[in-house]
Amino acid sequence: GAVVSQHPSRVICKSGTSVKIECRSLDFQATTMFWYRQFPKQSLMLMATSNEGSKATYEQGVEKDKFLINHASLTLSTLTVTSAHPEDSSFYICSAIQGRGNTIYFGEGSWLTVV
Amino acid sequence: DAKTTQPNSMESNEEEPVHLPCNHSTISGTDYIHWYRQLPSQGPEYVIHGLTSNVNNRMASLAIAEDRKSSTLILHRATLRDAAVYYCILLSNDYKLSFGAGTTVTVRA
Repeated sequence: GAVVSQHPSRVICKSGTSVKIECRSLDFQATTMFWYRQFPKQSLMLMATSNEGSKATYEQGVEKDKFLINHASLTLSTLTVTSAHPEDSSFYICSAIQGRGNTIYFGEGSWLTVV
Repeated sequence: DAKTTQPNSMESNEEEPVHLPCNHSTISGTDYIHWYRQLPSQGPEYVIHGLTSNVNNRMASLAIAEDRKSSTLILHRATLRDAAVYYCILLSNDYKLSFGAGTTVTVRA
């Protein structure tokens, strides 16, 4: 079946540096991809929605200059956390969908720890 | 945008059915209703989705109210592996997502 893969699954970075997380749809073309963050024992929080070839739409309160989202192809979206700080440490998840009536496929998630 | 409301938690005994409600009173006529579940430190897993008619698959059933303002996910015979957080998510015509805090399901052996 369709699979969405995230990489890396875990990353540790130093405060002030940037880190990139990739989200790939492995066997389908994803017209739309979504990025979420989740703190321990809390609900998913949608960060942004991205469509291939266009700018991402960010949810209220999400800094677009800090969380850069690129959806350059129908199978790849990236989230770059710029100038990371310890409070950015979280579980980041992506999901992808091929068409509105279809299943939304989620990635396995990426743990980011900023030290 | 439509909003969803789910109970915070629900308990069930193994082998018994679980009915998980979701209220979405501001749903529009073209919003799809999706259900996903999530184990700790994992990405959510697809359970079922539908638009107007009730849906069945090997994992669960989705009962959608006639006015579509609510839906119920039915796990027919709960197992320990069904313990998870269940999210009811609406997907709009313009690909906007709406979801709440999810329901934590505990299954007692």
